[in-house]
Amino acid sequence: RKEVEQDPGPFNVPEGATVAFNCTYSNSASQSFFWYRQDCRKEPKLLMSVYSSGNEDGRFTAQLNRASQYISLLIRDSKLSDSATYLCVVNLNTGGFKTIFGAGTRLFVKA
Amino acid sequence: NAGVTQTPKFQVLKTGQSMTLQCAQDMNHNSMYWYRQDPGMGLRLIYYSASEGTTDKGEVPNGYNVSRLNKREFSLRLESAAPSQTSVYFCASSGDRGPAKNIQYFGAGTRLSVL
Repeated sequence: RKEVEQDPGPFNVPEGATVAFNCTYSNSASQSFFWYRQDCRKEPKLLMSVYSSGNEDGRFTAQLNRASQYISLLIRDSKLSDSATYLCVVNLNTGGFKTIFGAGTRLFVKA
Repeated sequence: NAGVTQTPKFQVLKTGQSMTLQCAQDMNHNSMYWYRQDPGMGLRLIYYSASEGTTDKGEVPNGYNVSRLNKREFSLRLESAAPSQTSVYFCASSGDRGPAKNIQYFGAGTRLSVL
């Protein structure tokens, strides 16, 4: 089992749609969580951190469920510019620091 | 506002050739990383450096060496390139304090082809 698993997609949605991505992690020692965005042929960039209480940034909402060991990202009112790959990232602290990236979920938003 | 700078952006090598990928960051971060990204595989850690003078192997270190020259610079060397090392290579850095703790910032990547 991969340490961080994401649905690879692709998700094809029309503009204005709401889309949700899920990510599961296997190590209960996971400490901090992030969503990154990667555009085609570009580097990954931080989209948002994920807090235990859930957090929102404009059209984006991130949730963390520690008991079930999953993280979600909700995008409301999708825009064409949201088309990208979304990476789930988990940081562990198991004596040595370790960051694990999910393989990513591709999103295509169509007009 | 450079952040993380990688050179070169593109490189084509023949099997057996050697080369060094350069990375520098201007954010005063202690930690630096080298990843490779292959289609469908996500980012895989090659080596990382938690501080100047220290380096540790990641998930896929075979065929690579690294040098943490100083706090700013972290280079990745391929001693004898193989076609299996064709990939996109990303350097990243992260701080260890404050609200940005453990957030990694990436360079633009190096696209390497080994023929």
